[in-house]
Amino acid sequence: DADVTQTPRNRITKTGKRIMLECSQTKGHDRMYWYRQDPGLGLRLIYYSFDVKDINKGEISDGYSVSRQAQAKFSLSLESAIPNQTALYFCATSDSGQLDNEQFFGPGTRLTVL
Amino acid sequence: GQNIDQPTEMTATEGAIVQINCTYQTSGFNGLFWYQQHAGEAPTFLSYNVLDGLEEKGRFSSFLSRSKGYSYLLLKELQMKDSASYLCAVRLMEYGNKLVFGAGTILRVKS
Repeated sequence: DADVTQTPRNRITKTGKRIMLECSQTKGHDRMYWYRQDPGLGLRLIYYSFDVKDINKGEISDGYSVSRQAQAKFSLSLESAIPNQTALYFCATSDSGQLDNEQFFGPGTRLTVL
Repeated sequence: GQNIDQPTEMTATEGAIVQINCTYQTSGFNGLFWYQQHAGEAPTFLSYNVLDGLEEKGRFSSFLSRSKGYSYLLLKELQMKDSASYLCAVRLMEYGNKLVFGAGTILRVKS
């Protein structure tokens, strides 16, 4: 089944540590996205990529970086984690060739920064 | 700026009908999505509207009025499994058709 997967699913880390969250997809979609979700705030876009080597900042990119080295993979890094980056992180994909451009979400990564 | 408003919580009874409203003030509107999200899980697509009117998909329907900046999601014959958060998201023409999400409406279905 074509899917969007995220690793790790849960991570607890300490302030100042570097963390990388991985996203892979087998849908063949060209567009990929990283969101974070906090209670009461909904999903907020961190970065998005429309193709390999294409990177665009979203609403809340400060403190994050991304890498899109292959169409199927989009990684999110926290160079020096801080407690207010504790959140649920979702990766999503979409196909620019589809009229509605629906986004398909991965299962999420729950990150806790102590 | 972009603003999307939905009620925070709603409660309804099994078998009933519930309407979840969403109002938006955005620039460059290019479609509205509804997603369902069970606690701790990924959002899953429910419906998409880009033109005014009603879109029906089984027990779920979604309505859009672009002139009023208004949409609703209608859930019929409610089931316990419909207890979830419902996210309204507007797609913007600028910023590469990105989605801007509302905070979500938590729906509790009681027996």
